Amino acid sequence: SQTIHQWPATLVQPVGSPLSLECTVEGTSNPNLYWYRQAAGRGLQLLFYSIGIDQISSEVPQNLSASRPQDRQFILSSKKLLLSDSGFYLCAWAYTGPRTQYFGPGTRLLVL
Amino acid sequence: SQQGEEDPQALSIQEGENATMNCSYKTSINNLQWYRQNSGRGLVHLILIRSNEREKHSGRLRVTLDTSKKSSSLLITASRAADTASYFCATDDFLGAQKLVFGQGTRLTINP
Repeated sequence: SQTIHQWPATLVQPVGSPLSLECTVEGTSNPNLYWYRQAAGRGLQLLFYSIGIDQISSEVPQNLSASRPQDRQFILSSKKLLLSDSGFYLCAWAYTGPRTQYFGPGTRLLVL
Repeated sequence: SQQGEEDPQALSIQEGENATMNCSYKTSINNLQWYRQNSGRGLVHLILIRSNEREKHSGRLRVTLDTSKKSSSLLITASRAADTASYFCATDDFLGAQKLVFGQGTRLTINP
């Protein structure tokens, strides 16, 4: 069966520090991968999605970046965090095509 | 703006009652999905309805889709305290981009 992992679960970082959040998927090959951010009590904002290794689409201009160095690994990064980067970050995978997405447990990021 | 918008933003009912949530969207779709999110967790897929379907059932869930009105509803019958969660609709990109657009969600509280 397929599983999706995200880590860390919680992260507190100072403003201006770098960020690296990792997402890995097991049990499937060549999945579509997605990064979302969710503000408290709000909906999901799609940040990046990838249909293959080194194929990244950016949805919202910001100081975040994403990389996919391996088929089932998706990394969200920042060189310098802003206060506004605080939020709940969710990774998801899907079979090719915009069908059902399967979400990881999320990372709660607090930038102070 | 978001493709899908849920209504109401929050709903509080007594256990055993039925809960109805609505979703409106703006552009043509291939399918519409409903997801559930427990507090602080990732989203879980509930049900997918295709654009050529009008109604779909899954256990205590009933989803309707009216493409002429660009709207969908999710009905949860005989609600339970465990149904307390946020519910999101998500629509695909009719032009084929492999991503979903989520609404802002309805926060459902079931009072025992």
